[in-house]
Amino acid sequence: KAGVTQTPRYLIKTRGQQVTLSCSPISGHRSVSWYQQTPGQGLQFLFEYFSETQRNKGNFPGRFSGRQFSNSRSEMNVSTLELGDSALYLCASSGQAGDEQFFGPGTRLTVL
Amino acid sequence: AQRVTQPEKLLSVFKGAPVELKCNYSYSGSPELFWYVQYSRQRLQLLLRHISRESIKGFTADLNKGETSFHLKKPFAQEEDSAMYYCALSRDSGGGADGLTFGKGTHLIIQP
Repeated sequence: KAGVTQTPRYLIKTRGQQVTLSCSPISGHRSVSWYQQTPGQGLQFLFEYFSETQRNKGNFPGRFSGRQFSNSRSEMNVSTLELGDSALYLCASSGQAGDEQFFGPGTRLTVL
Repeated sequence: AQRVTQPEKLLSVFKGAPVELKCNYSYSGSPELFWYVQYSRQRLQLLLRHISRESIKGFTADLNKGETSFHLKKPFAQEEDSAMYYCALSRDSGGGADGLTFGKGTHLIIQP
């Protein structure tokens, strides 16, 4: 079974731009969660989608948004990028609540 | 709000020595606790979760609700145990809807 995939793996943007990251979960998984990882703050929960519905959201500004499609693939969008948005963005998928979360390799976003 | 603390950023022990990675949490309810591991150039992956009470790769962790701790232990360290270890907490049964709250991680180095 193929693992969680994320595209692109690396991205360079400038301040003020917007960016869209993509996550394809393991086949059959319906839950996708997104995390931001930085050296200072560590791993922080962004939001989680299940069957195209956002079930919960972490403590991030409204510039961070996401969506999930009917095939469970998910995208997250960051608008009006700031230097502090430079981070590794990880997504994780699981089948149901209570199941193990499987992480993707991450997308490394650099904001200049 | 819940919090996970890993007091050691770096822990270095010799091969064959016992290992203990500390994790303390704060949460007023009944959380589920996890240990995740990230080996060099690999994805973040689940090592163990307290409800399964399993021993994985020789590691064990016991949830101590009185001390709000979930320390990870291994009696005899091996060189392949060198990795980043993250303790994580979930308010629901799998960290699905509510996301995982991670500690900042401990870099474990096993010296030959």
